[in-house]
Amino acid sequence: RKEVEQDPGPFNVPEGATVAFNCTYSNSASQSFFWYRQDCRKEPKLLMSVYSSGNEDGRFTAQLNRASQYISLLIRDSKLSDSATYLCVVNRNTGGFKTIFGAGTRLFVKA
Amino acid sequence: DADVTQTPRNRITKTGKRIMLECSQTKGHDRMYWYRQDPGLGLRLIYYSFDVKDINKGEISDGYSVSRQAQAKFSLSLESAIPNQTALYFCATSDFAGGYNEQFFGPGTRLTVL
Repeated sequence: RKEVEQDPGPFNVPEGATVAFNCTYSNSASQSFFWYRQDCRKEPKLLMSVYSSGNEDGRFTAQLNRASQYISLLIRDSKLSDSATYLCVVNRNTGGFKTIFGAGTRLFVKA
Repeated sequence: DADVTQTPRNRITKTGKRIMLECSQTKGHDRMYWYRQDPGLGLRLIYYSFDVKDINKGEISDGYSVSRQAQAKFSLSLESAIPNQTALYFCATSDFAGGYNEQFFGPGTRLTVL
């Protein structure tokens, strides 16, 4: 089993839809969590850090559930420009540093 | 100008050749990383460095070596390239503010080993 797992996708949604991405992690010692966005053949770029209290940035909301070892990203009112791959990232520093990327979920937003 | 740069951006080489990929950053970050990305597997950490004299193996270091020549420079070498090292390679940097380790990536190097 992979240490970080994401929905395999792809997701195909119309403009204006709400879409949710899910990510689970297996190591309870994980300490910090992120969502990155990656456009085709480009570098990943940080979308949001994920805090225990949850956080929102415009149309984007990220949630962390430590008890269930689960992270989510919600995009409201999808735009064509949201089409990309969304990567879940989990870090820990106990027992040595580890940073683990999920395989990503591809999103296609269509007019 | 980009904060994290990688050279070359594309490289085609033959099996057995020695290849060096270079990464430079102007962000002033202490931490630097090398990843490879393969379709369906996501990014996997090859090596990382938290300071100039610090080198650590990541998940998939076999067949690779690195050098941290200065705070701003971190190079990745393939001593004898093989076809399954064909991949997209990313360099990244971070500081450690608040323990959150947000990483900033270079544009990538597409390496093909024939």
